[in-house]
Amino acid sequence: GAVVSQHPSRVICKSGTSVKIECRSLDFQATTMFWYRQFPKQSLMLMATSNEGSKATYEQGVEKDKFLINHASLTLSTLTVTSAHPEDSSFYICSARDLWRGDADTQYFGPGTRLTVL
Amino acid sequence: GNSVTQMEGPVTLSEEAFLTINCTYTATGYPSLFWYVQYPGEGLQLLLKATKADDKGSNKGFEATYRKETTSFHLEKGSVQVSDSAVYFCALNTGNQFYFGTGTSLTVIP
Repeated sequence: GAVVSQHPSRVICKSGTSVKIECRSLDFQATTMFWYRQFPKQSLMLMATSNEGSKATYEQGVEKDKFLINHASLTLSTLTVTSAHPEDSSFYICSARDLWRGDADTQYFGPGTRLTVL
Repeated sequence: GNSVTQMEGPVTLSEEAFLTINCTYTATGYPSLFWYVQYPGEGLQLLLKATKADDKGSNKGFEATYRKETTSFHLEKGSVQVSDSAVYFCALNTGNQFYFGTGTSLTVIP
């Protein structure tokens, strides 16, 4: 149990376009989802935390108008990178947890999305 | 504040060697501690966890013991395999937020 999927796994887009990344919890209800960004050979940087039905809470330095997060259901959260630029190229990883599970302290991660902006 | 410090890599071992990856933490309260593993091009997979002092987490031959007195959660495996080559992240959860170490890259050579 506790499987999280992401789609797409890879995306290449032109500068100025918008890209949507989906994160789904497949076999549990994700009361909270997290979006991370990972640069090559570095650790994860938390971008934002979203609770189902609420606005996302963004970390300091993350532009909320650029990285739009929607958590409309208990199994789906989306991250939209608006007007993407080459510096947005990165590996984006989502994670989820269910506050009502016995392991509510554990985050389960998706496989990641590699975004390349040309 | 809360933080996790991992030994820097990369670590290169021969197959069947003993592995230790050090992890120490600073936290208020009583955090849960985790080891995650990331294979190339993939997301993080939960490897093991421990939720209170003296707990030992174990999985796939890996183990780590929650040591409150030394604020440590070192990862160990008695005999590594080539398939263990990956990046390992130590993490803690205070209940509100996860804190990750910088990751330790492990390469196991035949």
